Amino acid sequence: DAGVTQSPTHLIKTRGQHVTLRCSPISGHKSVSWYQQVLGQGPQFIFQYYEKEERGRGNFPDRFSARQFPNYSSELNVNALLLGDSALYLCASSLMGRANTEAFFGQGTRLTVV
Amino acid sequence: AQRVTQPEKLLSVFKGAPVELKCNYSYSGSPELFWYVQYSRQRLQLLLRHISRESIKGFTADLNKGETSFHLKKPFAQEEDSAMYYCALPLGLGNTPLVFGKGTRLSVIA
Repeated sequence: DAGVTQSPTHLIKTRGQHVTLRCSPISGHKSVSWYQQVLGQGPQFIFQYYEKEERGRGNFPDRFSARQFPNYSSELNVNALLLGDSALYLCASSLMGRANTEAFFGQGTRLTVV
Repeated sequence: AQRVTQPEKLLSVFKGAPVELKCNYSYSGSPELFWYVQYSRQRLQLLLRHISRESIKGFTADLNKGETSFHLKKPFAQEEDSAMYYCALPLGLGNTPLVFGKGTRLSVIA
């Protein structure tokens, strides 16, 4: 098992553009969460999806959206990119419905907005 | 609101010296606390969770509800312990997203 995989690994976009980040969870994991990690900070929660439904949303503007597909993979979309959206975007998968469940993280997508 | 505070951005210790990485939290209810670690060029991974009460790679962490702390300790630091360490707790009950501290970079000097 390759673990949680994210694509692309690096991305450079211009202000105002749109970006789509992708995540494939560990086989059997039905929950996917997205985090934003700005340099010098810990990861900050953006979205959680389980069984294709949004189960939680962090304090991010409506420019951020996500979805989960029937195979449990997920996409994070960001519209009208701002310089401040430059960050490492992490995806984590876990087994839903179990207390104290470990989150397994991908290697992240490094987004640079210029 | 749930919050995690890691007061030290950087902690440097000599090999063989004891290590204590501090974590304080605010949480309404009984918290489930985690330590995650990120070694150089590797992904973020779980180091230990308080409910397991286990020692991983020589590290332990004890939940102190009175002081709302979950400090990570190791009696003798090794060079391979150099990494970024994050304390985290769930936003809510059960399997929910995590709130992370800002992290502490541990540097073990030979």
